[in-house]
Amino acid sequence: NAGVTQTPKFQVLKTGQSMTLQCAQDMNHNSMYWYRQDPGMGLRLIYYSASEGTTDKGEVPNGYNVSRLNKREFSLRLESAAPSQTSVYFCASSGQGSSKNIQYFGAGTRLSVL
Amino acid sequence: DQQVKQNSPSLSVQEGRISILNCDYTNSMFDYFLWYKKYPAEGPTFLISISSIKDKNEDGRFTVFLNKSAKHLSLHIVPSQPGDSAVYFCAAGNQFYFGTGTSLTVIP
Repeated sequence: NAGVTQTPKFQVLKTGQSMTLQCAQDMNHNSMYWYRQDPGMGLRLIYYSASEGTTDKGEVPNGYNVSRLNKREFSLRLESAAPSQTSVYFCASSGQGSSKNIQYFGAGTRLSVL
Repeated sequence: DQQVKQNSPSLSVQEGRISILNCDYTNSMFDYFLWYKKYPAEGPTFLISISSIKDKNEDGRFTVFLNKSAKHLSLHIVPSQPGDSAVYFCAAGNQFYFGTGTSLTVIP
């Protein structure tokens, strides 16, 4: 039972390069999320997708784009990476009904922008 | 502006004693709260939750207390075990705001 899978686990970019972080879940969840975690800042929501075909901005969306490719996959794209985007990125998903508020997280992608 | 706050970055407790982790929030409209546990190099995992219609929820060694008038919740771990050493995040569920985390160390 894989849960939420993120690729890659580590990435180093130069300023101005682009990349896409991949996320897939196998729990048939409707909602998916991207967070970043920075020291002393906790987890901050970048974008979320309440259902296939919809995406919405979270607390810190600037510099990022997302695509909900299908129900399983939700990708995060950095078009022109900046050192301020050095962070650990977590993807999460949540289901329906009584457990809709419980999020299941991937293991994270550690990104360094030089 | 931090809507969910954990003012203690770290906490050390002896094995077998009680660990108390605290969390404050600013928005009285928040009606569901969760605690997550995070080990290094892993994603957070759900631990326990509480709805605003309750003031206590218990699951084994873990109990969460909610004081709505004070906009405060706490997580009690009794007895604490070395395997509980991790970072604990509180979160306001339906708005997905997370606190900054408290790193708990349980000393054997």
